[in-house]
Amino acid sequence: EDKVVQSPLSLVVHEGDTVTLNCSYEVTNFRSLLWYKQEKKAPTFLFMLTSSGIEKKSGRLSSILDKKELFSILNITATQTGDSAIYLCAGIASGTYKYIFGTGTRLKVLA
Amino acid sequence: DTGVSQDPRHKITKRGQNVTFRCDPISEHNRLYWYRQTLGQGPEFLTYFQNEAQLEKSRLLSDRFSAERPKGSFSTLEIQRTEQGDSAMYLCASSLALGDTQYFGPGTRLTVL
Repeated sequence: EDKVVQSPLSLVVHEGDTVTLNCSYEVTNFRSLLWYKQEKKAPTFLFMLTSSGIEKKSGRLSSILDKKELFSILNITATQTGDSAIYLCAGIASGTYKYIFGTGTRLKVLA
Repeated sequence: DTGVSQDPRHKITKRGQNVTFRCDPISEHNRLYWYRQTLGQGPEFLTYFQNEAQLEKSRLLSDRFSAERPKGSFSTLEIQRTEQGDSAMYLCASSLALGDTQYFGPGTRLTVL
């Protein structure tokens, strides 16, 4: 059965710290991996990764996919309290529409 | 705001009652998805529409659950004879094409007493 596993489950850091969130996946006919940020509402899209080894960046956030080792990381540099959220990753297989989500990493950034 | 909208945002009901939720996708998106999310878990896929056709239903969707998208625009999710285990956040998402990024609505939080 397809699955996505995230680690750590939760993380507490101080403002200014750099964090790395992990996502490993086992998805048949894997096509893409997505990262979402979820605060007290719906997930908001961060990145879609399809190619291995190509880093995607958006401000202080960056992510990369390793299709050989079947994992992705999400880096957040110079964390701010507004980064506090649950970070979800999801795998999607070719020709399907179902996102397989992990349980998320709950990040708390302390001032 | 041209994002995905859902209504209501919160619903409290008594066990055994029926509830219906509505989702309005992004206007040009012809693909619509329903997910359920419980505390501490990621969203779980429930069902998928391409235009008005319901193409997939998860086995999580018992016969008490039904979803429709009659005109290929908004969708409704109905839960009949609600149970306490139905308490969750029900999320709707839409996308332009298969495999495209899914954009989520704010969700409907259901509490069954």
